[in-house]
Amino acid sequence: EIVLTQSPGTLSLSPGERATLSCRASQSLSSRYLAWYLQKPGQAPRLLISGASSRATGIPDRFSVSGSGTDFTLTISRLEPEDFAVYYCQQYVRAPVTFGQGTKVEI
Amino acid sequence: QLQLQESGPGLVKPSETLSLTCTVSGDSISGHYWNWFRQPPGKGLEWIGYMSDSGTTNYNPSLQSRVAISGDTSKNHVSLNLTSVTAADTAMYYCAKAEWATDWFDPWGQGTLVTVSS
Repeated sequence: EIVLTQSPGTLSLSPGERATLSCRASQSLSSRYLAWYLQKPGQAPRLLISGASSRATGIPDRFSVSGSGTDFTLTISRLEPEDFAVYYCQQYVRAPVTFGQGTKVEI
Repeated sequence: QLQLQESGPGLVKPSETLSLTCTVSGDSISGHYWNWFRQPPGKGLEWIGYMSDSGTTNYNPSLQSRVAISGDTSKNHVSLNLTSVTAADTAMYYCAKAEWATDWFDPWGQGTLVTVSS
């Protein structure tokens, strides 16, 4: 199975700052097959971005993705208070689908 | 608006079977893939498996020998059974919709916590 490794484990930032989250895959895959989710405490994961960079309904354009091959990045251009959460990457190029272990973005 | 709601016992004894239901409202379970996931307390997400609208199932190899997912179109719900549970199966269990066999997932149910303990 494809292993996704996210870094850093925790990112301590302030509102208004830029957040850069990394997701590294154990095998090369197209960015078309990588999705990102956020999860707040006590809530279910929520889809952020799927495919090459399709933001889910209601997701603002301060969220963007980049990368190719085995290295991918989720960037939050200016952190808002509601952005502090845990972020997961997920691959769906090959079964079983797998998730990274998550990056916590904290104040 | 599509909504998913997981339900089932919050406490299961070791060696018994965990049974959960995902009730779908706002859409038919036909024509989509319905997936189950779990998340142990403080840990990450694990895909358990899916059932397609045709009844095809696919499971995570790590759980394949113990898991079964089925659907009831008359009740518009999808069920998860996990046999021979141990404390390691204690987790939040979520269901979510996908359009394809390997895909991204949206929306998700709110989840239900299952604790395995005697």
